[in-house]
Amino acid sequence: DTAVSQTPKYLVTQMGNDKSIKCEQNLGHDTMYWYKQDSKKFLKIMFSYNNKELIINETVPNRFSPKSPDKAHLNLHINSLELGDSAVYFCASSPRKTSTDTQYFGPGTRLTVL
Amino acid sequence: QKEVEQDPGPLSVPEGAIVSLNCTYSNSAFQYFMWYRQYSRKGPELLMYTYSSGNKEDGRFTAQVDKSSKYISLFIRDSQPSDSATYLCAMSPAPNAGGTSYGKLTFGQGTILTVHP
Repeated sequence: DTAVSQTPKYLVTQMGNDKSIKCEQNLGHDTMYWYKQDSKKFLKIMFSYNNKELIINETVPNRFSPKSPDKAHLNLHINSLELGDSAVYFCASSPRKTSTDTQYFGPGTRLTVL
Repeated sequence: QKEVEQDPGPLSVPEGAIVSLNCTYSNSAFQYFMWYRQYSRKGPELLMYTYSSGNKEDGRFTAQVDKSSKYISLFIRDSQPSDSATYLCAMSPAPNAGGTSYGKLTFGQGTILTVHP
């Protein structure tokens, strides 16, 4: 059984388009995260939700909008895609919002903006 | 300057070698230290974590923290080809810091390790 799953795995699109990435976890965790990993492998947190409530919102362009319909799902919508948005986006979840809880990562969504 | 600095490598070693991976950090609020391993085209997975200065051992892996120097290390003994991956250090403030520190991990850039037979 896949613990944290993301769809799609690969996404190739043109500049200016709008796209969404979906994430689901079946671990019963309260907290979910979105990370961005650039071409140099640098992994940076973008957002975190705890029981559908936004608790971490890093300095991210407002073209990025997360949405959590329930605590098992966290989606990421990106408007007006730019070349610099090309990266691998990882979803993660943890049992609680405390920093000492292990975060479990999904397989990633590789976004390429042409 | 990034809060966490990690030599990206790449690092290539023969099977059986002892590997040393290191990170330095500048934020004194960091109290919880982790190492994640990321295989190619996969998500990171937690390898080890520690709260305090000193050593923590788990099989062939030893995590070392020196808070006075703001320096952490991961040692891999008897390295195997299956250890070939990117190793990311991560750290966070104390768990009771609360507020915007909730679950916020700051990662190093990752070191690409290849262990060849």
